[in-house]
Amino acid sequence: EIVMTQSPATLSVSPGERATLSCRASQSVSSNLAWYQQKPGQAPRLLIYGASTRATGIPARFSGSGSGTEFTLTISSLQSEDFAVYYCQQYNNWLVTFGQGTKLEIK
Amino acid sequence: EVQLVQSGAEVKKPGESLRISCKGSGYSFTSYWISWVRQMPGKGLEWMGRIDPSDSYTNYSPSFQGHVTISADKSISTAYLQWSSLKASDTAMYYCARVDSYGSKPFDYWGQGTLVTVSS
Repeated sequence: EIVMTQSPATLSVSPGERATLSCRASQSVSSNLAWYQQKPGQAPRLLIYGASTRATGIPARFSGSGSGTEFTLTISSLQSEDFAVYYCQQYNNWLVTFGQGTKLEIK
Repeated sequence: EVQLVQSGAEVKKPGESLRISCKGSGYSFTSYWISWVRQMPGKGLEWMGRIDPSDSYTNYSPSFQGHVTISADKSISTAYLQWSSLKASDTAMYYCARVDSYGSKPFDYWGQGTLVTVSS
């Protein structure tokens, strides 16, 4: 099983500032990496797939990068609606795994 | 419009059985796998397993193999997650999500979730 490790667990950022979230895989997942956003009481929503491709309707302030074992999600200018929990997920093989999540909170 | 609509919240006692459902619409149900994901209270996302509705082939996470059963009825575009004997530790929100059956793909649409509470 591929273990996904996200850091930090909690990130405090002010609105308008940039947020950088990290995700590391225990072995290479190529570019088969997705990021999801989950707000309280809601289902997760796909933000990024293929490590760097935005899903339909996702604003350009969200960007993803990386390949192999190291990945980054960047939110360029935080809006109030961006404060949520973010999960990375590898889908390189049928046994998909998620990171433990990063909570992005208002500073 | 693609939709995955899950059955409503359930309150059960330990030892009881349960089946929850996930109905797909707005797309070809047999062209996408359905995965099930558990989220325990205040915790992260855990992939449980998946089914190919075209032939009911399944894969399970080792953590859930033998504890749950995933099935599907393609005639009514519905996937199921069932337990034969619930435990208090099964208390969680359960989500279904669809995955393109061709190649390695992410979960692009999710159901709204079904809250299962197991308590004596």
